Amino acid sequence: DVKVTQSSRYLVKRTGEKVFLECVQDMDHENMFWYRQDPGLGLRLIYFSYDVKMKEKGDIPEGYSVSREKKERFSLILESASTNQTSMYLCASRITTVMNTEAFFGQGTRLTVV
Amino acid sequence: AQSVTQPDIHITVSEGASLELRCNYSYGATPYLFWYVQSPGQGLQLLLKYFSGDTLVQGIKGFEAEFKRSQSSFNLRKPSVHWSDAAEYFCAVGARSGGGADGLTFGKGTHLIIQP
Repeated sequence: DVKVTQSSRYLVKRTGEKVFLECVQDMDHENMFWYRQDPGLGLRLIYFSYDVKMKEKGDIPEGYSVSREKKERFSLILESASTNQTSMYLCASRITTVMNTEAFFGQGTRLTVV
Repeated sequence: AQSVTQPDIHITVSEGASLELRCNYSYGATPYLFWYVQSPGQGLQLLLKYFSGDTLVQGIKGFEAEFKRSQSSFNLRKPSVHWSDAAEYFCAVGARSGGGADGLTFGKGTHLIIQP
């Protein structure tokens, strides 16, 4: 079975902390994504990666960075957490070699910054 | 750039009644189209997808969707809803060209409420 695993379901962090959100997929997918989900705004793409050490900015990259040192793992980093980054974060992966495939999602990490 | 509009933020349906959730997309060519469902506190699960062929596609949990090119629509339907269908539903469009590295573009979602 396809699996995308996010390391935490819930996180509470303080303003100014450096925060790491981890995502691992076991499907050998090339593409991995981080989305942010907020009520009324749907899913917005933060960053994506199409290969190891490769990354591209999505629609809302400000305040975030990413790391992809291994194909199966994609990390989202909040360099200095702020209260406006309180949100649900969703990781996804998708194969590249077949054009019509869907993205597979993790369970999400609900981050609260206090 | 592609975009997706889900005109209904909330929809309330009685259990056993039929359901239609609307989705309109904007894309320069024939897109890949998806419907996902999200139960409270969970990630997104694929309901169905369209990429070519028959414009009426069947999905899981008794859902179906119809691609209408002339209307740029991909509406989701179910003939009889169950209380367990209460969830958030997202329509998404994927680019047909390129390596897929740009991911999917999502609508803002429709929150489905089921009345007993």
